[in-house]
Amino acid sequence: GAVVSQHPSWVICKSGTSVKIECRSLDFQATTMFWYRQFPKQSLMLMATSNEGSKATYEQGVEKDKFLINHASLTLSTLTVTSAHPEDSSFYICSALDRGVLDTQYFGPGTRLTVL
Amino acid sequence: GQQLNQSPQSMFIQEGEDVSMNCTSSSIFNTWLWYKQDPGEGPVLLIALYKAGELTSNGRLTAQFGITRKDSFLNISASIPSDVGIYFCAGQLSPNAGKSTFGDGTTLTVKP
Repeated sequence: GAVVSQHPSWVICKSGTSVKIECRSLDFQATTMFWYRQFPKQSLMLMATSNEGSKATYEQGVEKDKFLINHASLTLSTLTVTSAHPEDSSFYICSALDRGVLDTQYFGPGTRLTVL
Repeated sequence: GQQLNQSPQSMFIQEGEDVSMNCTSSSIFNTWLWYKQDPGEGPVLLIALYKAGELTSNGRLTAQFGITRKDSFLNISASIPSDVGIYFCAGQLSPNAGKSTFGDGTTLTVKP
């Protein structure tokens, strides 16, 4: 299957700082990527759809100024958690859409964010 | 919005047993996907189903796309300890920019 990477795999930061998470599709081009967060023992919650060359589309209740998304190339999307607070601590997972395989999403390994 | 009901929520089985889990929806989907997630990892695609009635296998895994397009099931035969994890179903309605709706997951525990 297609490979999607995320960096970093985990990060610990102080409250008030910003954290950037990268999502890369390694062996295919992805005009669309998705960002999810997942709380322990819960399902994936879609935060936003990242579109290459245009603005991201945010799900209801997700603050776009808090979670900045940039999709500058066909293989890279970034999520920046600005002014992070402890309640932002979570597991953030990206996925990339492979339109060559009937719109199949391939997920990255996730990033564990802990805000102190 | 669309919601998926995935059951059972959790399963505790003995190694070697067969497993069955399913997803139902109040509305139709054009694609059904099954993923497995290990602790601290992202979901990995197991099986993708694109046509109503389709039955697809991947090793010991078999999944079917329900005729009504409102349900899907996943079977695991002869379970082994490494089958432990959370299994998610996901439905996709095209055209919808590729967005998927996820079930709440089935947590599988396999006792050696």
